[in-house]
Amino acid sequence: QPVLTQPPSASATPGQRVTISCSGSSSNIGSNTVNWYQQLPGTAPKLLIYSNSLRLSGVPDRFSASKSGTSASLAISGLQSEDEADYYCSAWDDSLGVVFGGGTKVTVL
Amino acid sequence: QVTLKESGPTLVKPTQTLTLTCTFSGFSLTSTGVGVGWIRQPPGKALECLALIYWNDDERYSPSLKSRLAITKDTSKNQVVLTMTNMDPLDTATYYCAHFGLTAAGVNFDYWGQGNLITVSS
Repeated sequence: QPVLTQPPSASATPGQRVTISCSGSSSNIGSNTVNWYQQLPGTAPKLLIYSNSLRLSGVPDRFSASKSGTSASLAISGLQSEDEADYYCSAWDDSLGVVFGGGTKVTVL
Repeated sequence: QVTLKESGPTLVKPTQTLTLTCTFSGFSLTSTGVGVGWIRQPPGKALECLALIYWNDDERYSPSLKSRLAITKDTSKNQVVLTMTNMDPLDTATYYCAHFGLTAAGVNFDYWGQGNLITVSS
């Protein structure tokens, strides 16, 4: 079972905003930074956001993320069809090492 | 330009040992703060980090799989090798290697290989 908890799915129409939550504990999100990965169908994951809220170079500013306490969230505003993908949160856990969430499938309606 | 590529078998029998090689370019595993990790993803399921190896030879393993895993590096060949013993059908997954840079912000995998689908079946 994934250590970090994400909703299995999220959806919105083009142009709308979708938010994905990621819940952890004091040993991971509560004390370390959160990263977000995007996985397009049939491809390897791609780092999207690191250190809680920093976008990798080339990532559109439609993607934003934040962290508060033992939870984090990723928001996609102005949703586009190419944003349809699986999104994973990840953090360092002081006992377990790198841990991931179960992934959230974003569907553009 | 950083690239990584996994190589190894596509089919493994139960109880056998899996050996996967990650061949990379564009960085050196002797540079401070650099590392390579192995992550797997069963079909339709989530990512799971298996092992990390750091520039300074430190290793880190998933606690639940530690007894079955070994990660090594050959800096002269720019390769990282993962071995996993006693393979089981539940180990069927796509296995990725990925580059990470260790910073104060922790470990994030910024470059990934294309993945190698390993099926465990008799």
